[in-house]
Amino acid sequence: DAGVIQSPRHEVTEMGQEVTLRCKPISGHNSLFWYRQTMMRGLELLIYFNNNVPIDDSGMPEDRFSAKMPNASFSTLKIQPSEPRDSAVYFCASSLAWEPQHFGDGTRLSIL
Amino acid sequence: SQQGEEDPQALSIQEGENATMNCSYKTSINNLQWYRQNSGRGLVHLILIRSNEREKHSGRLRVTLDTSKKSSSLLITASRAADTASYFCATDLEGAQKLVFGQGTRLTINP
Repeated sequence: DAGVIQSPRHEVTEMGQEVTLRCKPISGHNSLFWYRQTMMRGLELLIYFNNNVPIDDSGMPEDRFSAKMPNASFSTLKIQPSEPRDSAVYFCASSLAWEPQHFGDGTRLSIL
Repeated sequence: SQQGEEDPQALSIQEGENATMNCSYKTSINNLQWYRQNSGRGLVHLILIRSNEREKHSGRLRVTLDTSKKSSSLLITASRAADTASYFCATDLEGAQKLVFGQGTRLTINP
């Protein structure tokens, strides 16, 4: 049973560049969550979807961040333009309704 | 600020000893969950306790919940080196699906 799959695992890019993070949730799960983890702020929820529809994006830092879920098996988190303060580990998680969440292993993003 | 706050921030014990971590939160909840994170990996769900439950067991894990004090504890008995990880409590704001995580307790088990 494949878990949540995130790509890439590591991304290093220069500030100003567009960054796209990808997530494949567990098949059959209908909720998908994007988190950001930093030493200073811990694990923060950015946005979550139910049945491919964004439900709460109040954690998205600013307009430079956007997330989409075009179908039940794929989601993207995009940062454009990227800034050094966006450096963090970004996690995707999925769940079936209100059941516990399953996390991917994250994308470690470094913006130079 | 964080809904859940873990205590202590870091804990180092000898293999075989018991480890206790605490979590406090601020608002009413439906349930409280504990997750583990190994270095460089995603979080893994350990146990969920509902607001109407006071204690729950799963293998070597024991979780308590005191809603009057808005606190929970996670006890790991007979610790093993493989238990070395960070442990997070997470609460759902009543009526909402999203979770709010604490800052975590970094547990080190010394062989």
